[in-house]
Amino acid sequence: DIQMTQSPSSLSASVGDKVTITCQASQHISNSLNWYQQIPGKAPKLLIHDASNLETGVPSRFSGRGFGTDFTFTISSLQPEDIGTYYCQQYDNLPPGITFGGGTKVEIK
Amino acid sequence: QVQLVQSGAEVKKPGSSVKVSCKASGGTFSTYVISWVRQAPGQGLEWMGGIIPIFGTPYYAQKFQGRVSITADESTSTAYMELNSLTFEDTAVYYCARAGVKQQLNWFDPWGQGTLVTVSS
Repeated sequence: DIQMTQSPSSLSASVGDKVTITCQASQHISNSLNWYQQIPGKAPKLLIHDASNLETGVPSRFSGRGFGTDFTFTISSLQPEDIGTYYCQQYDNLPPGITFGGGTKVEIK
Repeated sequence: QVQLVQSGAEVKKPGSSVKVSCKASGGTFSTYVISWVRQAPGQGLEWMGGIIPIFGTPYYAQKFQGRVSITADESTSTAYMELNSLTFEDTAVYYCARAGVKQQLNWFDPWGQGTLVTVSS
């Protein structure tokens, strides 16, 4: 199984700060990497698919990049409504499988 | 825009089974993978398996092989997840989610609202 190592597990930043989260795959996964935001008590929300494709309606301060084994997710200017936990997720179809990273809890300082 | 609505919270005893439903409305159901993802209290997300309703053949994460059954009823646009031999460690919120592209595992959008399953003696 492919393992996803996400870091940091938590961070605290000020409004307006740039925030970066990394996700490393245990083997090459091309660009098969997605990012979600989860607010407590709610289902996760898809933000970015296939490493860098921003979902419709998601603010442009969110971005993702990477290929192969190393991926980054960035919030260019942290806003109060961005608090929550962020997860990376890889997928494979041969054989079918999904793995999530351990999550990064983002708080406002 | 497809919406997924799940069945209500359950309380089960250790060793028993639970079956959670996920009904789709407002969009295409049969040709997309419907997956089940669970989240234990204070923990991360864990994929359990999925099914493409039009084909009916499920696939499961290795951890849950032999203990989970995922099925789908095209006539009612409803997917089901049944988990057997419950233990306290199965206490979690269980989500269904639809894939983003037809007939492939990829990303999850949309998600159901989640169903809390509590295993308690």
